[in-house]
Amino acid sequence: DIQMTQSPSSLSASVGDRVTITCRASQGIRNELAWYQQKPGKAPKRLIYAASSLQSGVPSRFSGSGSGTEFTLTISSLQPEDFATYYCLQHNNYPPLTFGGGTKVEIK
Amino acid sequence: QVQLVQSGAEVKKPGASVKVSCKASGYTFTRYDINWVRQATGQGLEWMGWMNPNSGYTGSAQKFQGRVTMTRDTAISTAYMELSSLRSEDTAVYYCVRVDGAVDFWGQGTLVTVSS
Repeated sequence: DIQMTQSPSSLSASVGDRVTITCRASQGIRNELAWYQQKPGKAPKRLIYAASSLQSGVPSRFSGSGSGTEFTLTISSLQPEDFATYYCLQHNNYPPLTFGGGTKVEIK
Repeated sequence: QVQLVQSGAEVKKPGASVKVSCKASGYTFTRYDINWVRQATGQGLEWMGWMNPNSGYTGSAQKFQGRVTMTRDTAISTAYMELSSLRSEDTAVYYCVRVDGAVDFWGQGTLVTVSS
């Protein structure tokens, strides 16, 4: 099975900061990767699909890039509502689905 | 609009089974796989298994094989996940999700607590 290594596991940042989260796949997954945001007590919400396509309704400060084995989620200017946990998900060889371990973005 | 509405919280004793339902609306139920994902408190997301609602074919992560059963009732657009031989480590929120390539829609989650 494909493993997804997400880093960092947590980070502290200030409002207005640029934030970058990385996911690395154990083998090539083309662009079959999505990013999700999860707030406490809520189900995850998809932000990005196909590695770089912005989900409808998601602010443009979120962007995704990458292909093959290395992927990045960038928040260009962190807003108060962006403090949450973020997960990547690969679906190249579905089934199974494989999630990254998550990145908790906290207020500095 | 697409919705997945799950059944309510459950409290079970070790060794018991739990069955969680997931009612789909807003789309043709048989066109997209339903998967199950769980999340223990403070932990990450763990994929459990998949079901094709059209054929009824299922598959699960090796960790759950022999303990998880996924079924559906197409007449009422509802998927079910039953987990047996519960232990304390199964305490988690269980999500049903729709898969269209990646996961695009999530149920609201069902908290299953396993406690003696």
